[in-house]
Amino acid sequence: QKEVEQDPGPLSVPEGAIVSLNCTYSNSAFQYFMWYRQYSRKGPELLMYTYSSGNKEDGRFTAQVDKSSKYISLFIRDSQPSDSATYLCAMSGGTDKLIFGTGTRLQVFP
Amino acid sequence: DVKVTQSSRYLVKRTGEKVFLECVQDMDHENMFWYRQDPGLGLRLIYFSYDVKMKEKGDIPEGYSVSREKKERFSLILESASTNQTSMYLCASSLPSDTKKLFFGSGTQLSVL
Repeated sequence: QKEVEQDPGPLSVPEGAIVSLNCTYSNSAFQYFMWYRQYSRKGPELLMYTYSSGNKEDGRFTAQVDKSSKYISLFIRDSQPSDSATYLCAMSGGTDKLIFGTGTRLQVFP
Repeated sequence: DVKVTQSSRYLVKRTGEKVFLECVQDMDHENMFWYRQDPGLGLRLIYFSYDVKMKEKGDIPEGYSVSREKKERFSLILESASTNQTSMYLCASSLPSDTKKLFFGSGTQLSVL
């Protein structure tokens, strides 16, 4: 079993939709949870970063962590075609090593 | 803005060749990393370095080595390229105080024939 599981998609939604992207994990030592966005032919860039459980909001993006269920989510409100990318979750515990999910490809069509 | 530059966007090599992938960052970051990215497998850590002359093995170091002679430059070396090393290679850097925030280069797509 992989430490981090992520549905690869693709997820195709119309412009303006609310998007929900999710990851599950097995290691209860994970405390730091990140979402990276990767555009085609580019490297990933950090989008959201949360510590422990709870919600964090940044503009149209909300990151949610439920440690009791070992489940994290990224919500995108009012999705735009420019949000079309692959979204990678990443996690770590007490070390600096990040464990990445395989990524979910999102397509937002006009 | 932090810039991480990888020397080649696409590279085609033959089996058995020695391959050098170069990465340079311009923000004086101590930490540098090499990952490979494969469909269905995600990003896997090959090697990382916390300082000049230092290197640590990641999860999949076999068949690779690294060199860090200067703080800004981190090189990945494939001693004898094999077809199973065909992949997208991504270099990243970070500050020691903020190791969860990785800055990635655009990647090198390596094909080994």
